[in-house]
Amino acid sequence: GENVEQHPSTLSVQEGDSAVIKCTYSDSASNYFPWYKQELGKGPQLIIDIRSNVGEKKDQRIAVTLNKTAKHFSLHITETQPEDSAVYFCAAEGGGADGLTFGKGTHLIIQP
Amino acid sequence: DTEVTQTPKHLVMGMTNKKSLKCEQHMGHRAMYWYKQKAKKPPELMFVYSYEKLSINESVPSRFSPECPNSSLLNLHLHALQPEDSALYLCASSQALMAGSYEQYFGPGTRLTVT
Repeated sequence: GENVEQHPSTLSVQEGDSAVIKCTYSDSASNYFPWYKQELGKGPQLIIDIRSNVGEKKDQRIAVTLNKTAKHFSLHITETQPEDSAVYFCAAEGGGADGLTFGKGTHLIIQP
Repeated sequence: DTEVTQTPKHLVMGMTNKKSLKCEQHMGHRAMYWYKQKAKKPPELMFVYSYEKLSINESVPSRFSPECPNSSLLNLHLHALQPEDSALYLCASSQALMAGSYEQYFGPGTRLTVT
């Protein structure tokens, strides 16, 4: 089955700086890669996603890049704000329509 | 609207109790999911329903029994749970079950404590 590795587990950045979270996946048949933001006491919120026929996607301050050859995808957040503090999960959907496999999560801390 | 609702928000139950968790969506989605999330861990897939039929069961113990009465509702019946089953139970839905095609939207979860 699919295996997703996510790094770092904790990331602390100054407000206004950029944050980058990286994930790798194992199943070359995977073709959908969402990113979720989870705040304390809430369910995961889909913030951006990318499909394997696209190399990069951007939505305001957040962007995701995908390198299919290296089986690697990353989340980039620019001009970080206090409300960006949360746990971020990457995920991959395997080629067999068997649901999402999540990375272990990154706790992003925005320092004022 | 991408809202998935779950009730109750919190549930405390004894090991001999029977209870149910409920999930509802009105987005016309035909795939619905149950995930279990322990503290500081990612969500783990439990069950997937596609067009009201059980499509995936990730070797979940029989003390968890899912039910999909119609395309908008998903239940999780709980019986004879163990303290290690205490977790956040998340429901999600997507337009259909097809690899890489559709976004999954999560509800807020039910925080379950088994005493």
